[in-house]
Amino acid sequence: DQQVKQNSPSLSVQEGRISILNCDYTNSMFDYFLWYKKYPAEGPTFLISISSIKDKNEDGRFTVFLNKSAKHLSLHIVPSQPGDSAVYFCAATRRQAGNKLTFGGGTRVLVKP
Amino acid sequence: NAGVTQTPKFRILKIGQSMTLQCTQDMNHNYMYWYRQDPGMGLKLIYYSVGAGITDKGEVPNGYNVSRSTTEDFPLRLELAAPSQTSVYFCASSPNAGVLSEQFFGPGTRLTVL
Repeated sequence: DQQVKQNSPSLSVQEGRISILNCDYTNSMFDYFLWYKKYPAEGPTFLISISSIKDKNEDGRFTVFLNKSAKHLSLHIVPSQPGDSAVYFCAATRRQAGNKLTFGGGTRVLVKP
Repeated sequence: NAGVTQTPKFRILKIGQSMTLQCTQDMNHNYMYWYRQDPGMGLKLIYYSVGAGITDKGEVPNGYNVSRSTTEDFPLRLELAAPSQTSVYFCASSPNAGVLSEQFFGPGTRLTVL
């Protein structure tokens, strides 16, 4: 039972264009969502998060959108840069769960110069 | 600050052997976690701890044990290694309860069981 899904395993985008990563969840109890970025042979690093009381959060080139009715969130990277090439994980948790994260399977992004 | 450190970086075990994966954090975080990542998959929670002396199971705890005697250390023990435990193991920590926050991850331990 995969509660967090990233249906696109990979994404290729030209430098300077927008990257859009999608994530769906099934557990309506989730109330906090995070995106992590992972380079090979390194641990995941936190990118951006959003609380369920918001529908958008922006941090520089990164924006996360949350559609609670659709149980869907997306990460927009604008403009995409070659250094953004990595695997991106969507994760979800709920306030009563001790900050335990449930991760999606990841999307590998390749930004072409 | 070193953040979250893990040792060893790589290890090959034979079936039935045991080992301990070490994890240390220097951020005075109460919460610590162990995840495993299988090839092409997301991370799955093995065990977590909300403070020294307190541990609880995550999604995939079978075949593992943990202890938390200090705030800094959270070792993961494999008693009888099996090929299904071949994976990359990540330790993470996060600040205190009541505030949802990011988790800080270590660099991982790549374990192969043959």
